[in-house]
Amino acid sequence: SQKIEQNSEALNIQEGKTATLTCNYTNYSPAYLQWYRQDPGRGPVFLLLIRENEKEKRKERLKVTFDTTLKQSLFHITASQPADSATYLCALNTGTASKLTFGTGTRLQVTL
Amino acid sequence: GAVVSQHPSRVICKSGTSVKIECRSLDFQATTMFWYRQFPKKSLMLMATSNEGSKATYEQGVEKDKFLINHASLTLSTLTVTSAHPEDSSFYICSVGGARTEAFFGQGTRLTVV
Repeated sequence: SQKIEQNSEALNIQEGKTATLTCNYTNYSPAYLQWYRQDPGRGPVFLLLIRENEKEKRKERLKVTFDTTLKQSLFHITASQPADSATYLCALNTGTASKLTFGTGTRLQVTL
Repeated sequence: GAVVSQHPSRVICKSGTSVKIECRSLDFQATTMFWYRQFPKKSLMLMATSNEGSKATYEQGVEKDKFLINHASLTLSTLTVTSAHPEDSSFYICSVGGARTEAFFGQGTRLTVV
């Protein structure tokens, strides 16, 4: 069966450290993988998109990697801040033109 | 990026009544919009793809007679939860875009059926 799993439901780290979130998928061959941030009671907000032929993408303190052999994406937040606390979702396009399928999400908590 | 406005943000209704949720694309003409449902601390589950001028495409297991979708213009899609029951209580979110480019989401609608 098809699955998209994010490594842990919750992740607690100290301010200033690097947060690393994992997204693993099975039985998909996505052309694109995206990462979103979601705050409680709000809709997701787009962060980064990476294509299957790209290994890494960066945006300010964010970095995403995409390994189609391992079927895995890693999402890094460097120099994390309490304001980075949120739920982070990975999403794949799953064949049909614009449909996105979301992972289970990881709640990140950055403490002082 | 596109601005998506969803209304209402919160609604409480009685069992057996119907509730309509609107999703407007304010600056983007969307031939396709997506409706998701999210349970507490869970991920987004795609319910249906709303197609302008034609019938919506529902995901497996989603009752089309229960969740009526209308996409009458390039800027408006509506989701009507008919004969609502407490188990329909959830967070409903719409979006435009996605896959090849980023998706833009509405603010979401918290539905509580009492």
